Amino acid sequence: DTEVTQTPKHLVMGMTNKKSLKCEQHMGHRAMYWYKQKAKKPPELMFVYSYEKLSINESVPSRFSPECPNSSLLNLHLHALQPEDSALYLCASSQELAREQYFGPGTRLTVT
Amino acid sequence: GESVGLHLPTLSVQEGDNSIINCAYSNSASDYFIWYKQESGKGPQFIIDIRSNMDKRQGQRVTVLLNKTVKHLSLQIAATQPGDSAVYFCAEKGSTGANSKLTFGKGITLSVRP
Repeated sequence: DTEVTQTPKHLVMGMTNKKSLKCEQHMGHRAMYWYKQKAKKPPELMFVYSYEKLSINESVPSRFSPECPNSSLLNLHLHALQPEDSALYLCASSQELAREQYFGPGTRLTVT
Repeated sequence: GESVGLHLPTLSVQEGDNSIINCAYSNSASDYFIWYKQESGKGPQFIIDIRSNMDKRQGQRVTVLLNKTVKHLSLQIAATQPGDSAVYFCAEKGSTGANSKLTFGKGITLSVRP
């Protein structure tokens, strides 16, 4: 099973809302990632977790807050987002850091 | 700065022909490379990877070639099918420093003509 699941598939939120994106994998991978992807652009790394600890934060604004409750789950908490934060948010996991990452289908986020 | 790029933004091929998608990278310290396929509305899908100690790796209908001398990576797709239509990204991983992240190239759209 090489599946990474993400919920919700679509999310529309206002700039004052608080919402969370969820990601789950059951491949026993110990590295998990959040990426942001704008239309017709490559994925941009946001956060990396390794063994449930935050390993990399690519200078992401604090209105994005990641959380790794256990080795299978990864959340991204959103608060006070801006319209320019509208994008496809992708979760990925890998057995080792940066190797063969498997991506979920993404959450299409629209900030109004 | 270091970058991973692609020569052409789009590639159109006839169904049944072979496709070659090229990628140039500039970080000579990169030791691992991946090709991803992304269909509309989906997340990137792993296709094939190659380590820097190899120059060729074959999968099912796909071959990745690595030329470290000129810092060039290519993906060859044999007998291209309509289902191969997608955006293709190459990605590289540096061997030191930022060794826990992949850097993606700009992406190239492959369009297969029936």
